[in-house]
Amino acid sequence: ETGVTQSPTHLIKTRGQQVTLRCSSQSGHNTVSWYQQALGQGPQFIFQYYREEENGRGNFPPRFSGLQFPNYSSELNVNALELDDSALYLCASSLAGWREAFFGQGTRLTVV
Amino acid sequence: EDQVTQSPEALRLQEGESSSLNCSYTVSGLRGLFWYRQDPGKGPEFLFTLYSAGEEKEKERLKATLTKKESFLHITAPKPEDSATYLCAVSKAAGNKLTFGGGTRVLVKP
Repeated sequence: ETGVTQSPTHLIKTRGQQVTLRCSSQSGHNTVSWYQQALGQGPQFIFQYYREEENGRGNFPPRFSGLQFPNYSSELNVNALELDDSALYLCASSLAGWREAFFGQGTRLTVV
Repeated sequence: EDQVTQSPEALRLQEGESSSLNCSYTVSGLRGLFWYRQDPGKGPEFLFTLYSAGEEKEKERLKATLTKKESFLHITAPKPEDSATYLCAVSKAAGNKLTFGGGTRVLVKP
């Protein structure tokens, strides 16, 4: 059974740039969620995708967008990066949105 | 609004000194309560799911319990390798996300 994998593991971007983060879901999971985790805090829900459709969104601006592909892998795109976007971005896959989620190792994004 | 509060924020234990972490929640229609372990710079690692009050789950030195208002994670005779941040999260009926608490950082000294 393949777990959740994310790429890249680390990334440094300049304010105003755009970034794309990638995630491969665990085998058999059709639901992918993205979370943002600031240092010393719990993860905050960004949005969820189920069968290629957005299935819920947290309190994040529209410059945070995503995609899910037919193989259930997913991308998180962030436009017009701000310094406060610096965080650990976590992808999680699950059998359903309310079920236990299995997380990847995260992408550490630093905006300078 | 759904809320999850974990206490204490940090816990320093001597090896072998048992303790409990608390997760109190306010959510309408709890569907599941989840415990995760997170090592620095890594993604959370799933530990337990609890679905109803009175339920208990155990794994090695960890035991999770659930009431209608809170959950406890008991660490029995901890070892240094149990040092990590422990996160609690909840999901609700017809929900599509997990709502996390802020975590408890546990340090176990030899």
